[in-house]
Amino acid sequence: GAGVSQSPSNKVTEKGKDVELRCDPISGHTALYWYRQSLGQGLEFLIYFQGNSAPDKSGLPSDRFSAERTGGSVSTLTIQRTQQEDSAVYLCASSFGGEKLFFGSGTQLSVL
Amino acid sequence: GDSVTQMEGPVTLSEEACLTINCTYTATGYPSLFWYVQYPGEGLQLLLKATKADDKGSNKGFEATYRKETTSFHLEKGSVQVSDSAVYFCALTSTSGTYKYIFGTGTRLKVLA
Repeated sequence: GAGVSQSPSNKVTEKGKDVELRCDPISGHTALYWYRQSLGQGLEFLIYFQGNSAPDKSGLPSDRFSAERTGGSVSTLTIQRTQQEDSAVYLCASSFGGEKLFFGSGTQLSVL
Repeated sequence: GDSVTQMEGPVTLSEEACLTINCTYTATGYPSLFWYVQYPGEGLQLLLKATKADDKGSNKGFEATYRKETTSFHLEKGSVQVSDSAVYFCALTSTSGTYKYIFGTGTRLKVLA
C-alpha cells in the first residue's frame, strides 16, 4: 500500500491479557515511531526505530511494553498484562531522512 | 530535555475570523519545527514546517515563523473556514542526535458557520 498501515484498527481486551499491535511502514522508510494518544493528553512518544535498532526507547511507560522491528520494515508493539490505563489510540509513523512523518490511522485499544 | 508547549483549547471561532495558536519550545540546539493537523476521523498529517531561524512555513493559508529569540512557532491564519476545524499539533525534532519527534498536547479548533 501507499501509506502506513496499522492493525488491528480496534482491539478490545480484558485486563491482564497481552496484546500485539502491528505497523507496516511506507516501503523504504528507515525510521519508525510509536506514539500513544490519550484523550486530552496529546501525543506521547513511546519508541523510535532507525532500521531494526531502537536508539530511543525512553518513552516506554513500563517493562510491560516492548517493541521490535524486523527486516527494517514491520514493527510490533507488545503490551503484556494490560491495564485499564493502557487504553488509548496507538499511532505509528514512518519517515525517510528524519523530516516529514507519515502517520497510520492508529489502533484504538480498550482494556476492560 | 526538549519540549513543546502549546495553548490549550478548545478554540472556537466564527468563519472568516483570524486564528493564532501559540506554540513555544525548549531545545538546547537548533530543532526543526512543525505543525501537524488531525482532521476529524483522519490521521495526522504535516501542515507546514520550518528548519531554521526566521524561516516561514506556509500551507493552505496557514503560516508560522520560526522565532529563535522568543523560541516560538505560532500558527496563524487570516480567515478561517469551517473546513479548518481540526486538532493542531506543534512539534519539533529532538536535538539529542536522534530524529525523535516531540509533540505538544494539541489544540482543538472549531469553526462555526
